Amino acid sequence: AQSVTQPDIHITVSEGASLELRCNYSYGATPYLFWYVQSPGQGLQLLLKYFSGDTLVQGIKGFEAEFKRSQSSFNLRKPSVHWSDAAEYFCAVGPRRGSSYKLIFGSGTRLLVRP
Amino acid sequence: EAEVAQSPRYKITEKSQAVAFWCDPISGHATLYWYRQILGQGPELLVQFQDESVVDDSQLPKDRFSAERLKGVDSTLKIQPAELGDSAMYLCASSSRGTSGDDEQYFGPGTRLTVT
Repeated sequence: AQSVTQPDIHITVSEGASLELRCNYSYGATPYLFWYVQSPGQGLQLLLKYFSGDTLVQGIKGFEAEFKRSQSSFNLRKPSVHWSDAAEYFCAVGPRRGSSYKLIFGSGTRLLVRP
Repeated sequence: EAEVAQSPRYKITEKSQAVAFWCDPISGHATLYWYRQILGQGPELLVQFQDESVVDDSQLPKDRFSAERLKGVDSTLKIQPAELGDSAMYLCASSSRGTSGDDEQYFGPGTRLTVT
């Protein structure tokens, strides 16, 4: 079965501290991998994506993620969190080819930032 | 910057009533997706259109939900009759080609539905 697991429902970090959000997936073949961010009442914004090549990918707002095939993981990191990063973060996977390119999302991790 | 438009942003309806949501994708985007996001969960695909044709509606509860994209541009998602369990955020997304998994999906702001 295809699934995405984000084991942390909530994470609280202090402003300026580093951040790592975990994501593990189960998929038939190596999928495309994505991280999205959702601010309250808003739609989803793409932070970064992994298709192939370098397993460390850079995204917007200073975020990066590392793909580890052996661990089926795609963890999101940021070296120094800003108060404006408080939001919900979703990891998603999608097929490389096929007729439907639906994304399968994890249940999300809500990030709270302490001043 | 072009965006996906959705309306209404919020809708409150009583159970057994009909409700409809509208989505206008980014101009020129061939592929349109409707996702449902239940509180505390990630979005789940309801239906995918390629131009005016349905590509995937395997998770659409067809006894009460319907979706159309008659001219391959904007789309309407309807629920009739609404049930309490339909309370959720309904997100629309579009992508330019929909012919590859690396075709980025752009999401609209969503419609928050509350069924009372």
